[in-house]
Amino acid sequence: AQSVTQPDIHITVSEGASLELRCNYSYGATPYLFWYVQSPGQGLQLLLKYFSGDTLVQGIKGFEAEFKRSQSSFNLRKPSVHWSDAAEYFCAVGASHNAGNMLTFGGGTRLMVKP
Amino acid sequence: DTGVSQDPRHKITKRGQNVTFRCDPISEHNRLYWYRQTLGQGPEFLTYFQNEAQLEKSRLLSDRFSAERPKGSFSTLEIQRTEQGDSAMYLCASSLGDGHGYTFGSGTRLTVV
Repeated sequence: AQSVTQPDIHITVSEGASLELRCNYSYGATPYLFWYVQSPGQGLQLLLKYFSGDTLVQGIKGFEAEFKRSQSSFNLRKPSVHWSDAAEYFCAVGASHNAGNMLTFGGGTRLMVKP
Repeated sequence: DTGVSQDPRHKITKRGQNVTFRCDPISEHNRLYWYRQTLGQGPEFLTYFQNEAQLEKSRLLSDRFSAERPKGSFSTLEIQRTEQGDSAMYLCASSLGDGHGYTFGSGTRLTVV
């Protein structure tokens, strides 16, 4: 079975600073990988996804993520954080072998942005 | 297309009562998923439909839970004899299939008192 670890429960960065959120996964085959963002009381919005091909993936809102197979990681980055980026971020892995492609989520990282 | 809709947004119920939630997926999406999210945690998979067929159920889905998608369009999730441990956000998502991400609804927050 697949699993996802997000080692940082909370991260605080200053507005304008760069951001990296860590995600490590466990899965025996080539995974499908996702990053979602959730604002308080809301559903999840897809930031970006990786299925195959180029290991550097561009997403919405200026986010990018890099798939590193050797490290089983899919870290999310943004060069300059805006106050509106404060939210909870979830990394997820989908089982490529499974017809239903159910997602397994990490525990999330709560991002706070200092003015 | 208005995305994935869930109703109600909030539900407060007394322990032991039955509740039912509705999800309307994006119309051309044939896959529909239910997830549960408790406070401070990531969403956990409950069940999945391909059109009207329920193809996978998690061990989290006890016999008090039942989900249907009668015509392959909207879906309902019913919880019978609710318990305080059922308090959570129930998220619905839909997808076109492999190679596509999910689109989530805004969720139904259930509070059992």
